[in-house]
Amino acid sequence: EAQVTQNPRYLITVTGKKLTVTCSQNMNHEYMSWYRQDPGLGLRQIYYSMNVEVTDKGDVPEGYKVSRKEKRNFPLILESPSPNQTSLYFCASSPSRGNYGYTFGSGTRLTVV
Amino acid sequence: KNQVEQSPQSLIILEGKNCTLQCNYTVSPFSNLRWYKQDTGRGPVSLTIMTFSENTKSNGRYTATLDADTKQSSLHITASQLSDSASYICVVSVGFQKLVFGTGTRLLVSP
Repeated sequence: EAQVTQNPRYLITVTGKKLTVTCSQNMNHEYMSWYRQDPGLGLRQIYYSMNVEVTDKGDVPEGYKVSRKEKRNFPLILESPSPNQTSLYFCASSPSRGNYGYTFGSGTRLTVV
Repeated sequence: KNQVEQSPQSLIILEGKNCTLQCNYTVSPFSNLRWYKQDTGRGPVSLTIMTFSENTKSNGRYTATLDADTKQSSLHITASQLSDSASYICVVSVGFQKLVFGTGTRLLVSP
């Protein structure tokens, strides 16, 4: 089944403790992206990647890192999480730029206390 | 500033009724407009995608329209079902590199 898999689904952590949210797609898509969704706000892009070893900042990159060493994986790294990073996170992929639909993962609900 | 505004914020309709959701955008350069359905706590699922030259596109009981002159789009749901209860998000692509998301319309279909 074609899908984007995120792990974990739920995570509670403490301020300052480094964490990684994994994202993997099995569709050989070139384009991958991370978003966060907060109440009353639309999804906001954190980082995106056009292809392996090519990443760029989105609208809200502060406090996050990403890497794209393999085509299928695009992990999101929070080096020192803070409470304002409590949010619902989504990974998405697309064949490439252009008029293609995006496939979203099921989401990771992160709480930083 | 690139913006996507949706209305209404929330809507309650009876099962079997039709409804129309609205999306207005100010985005440049415009590449395409997408409608997504998002169940609570789940990832958005694509319903339709329309380019500048397309006026309408259907996906089952969902029909999206696009007026590129007025920069408006609508999503019409026919014969609503309980499973249509979800948030519907309008998304506009800016130059194929960036997506601008609306805040969504929360639809509740009541039996």
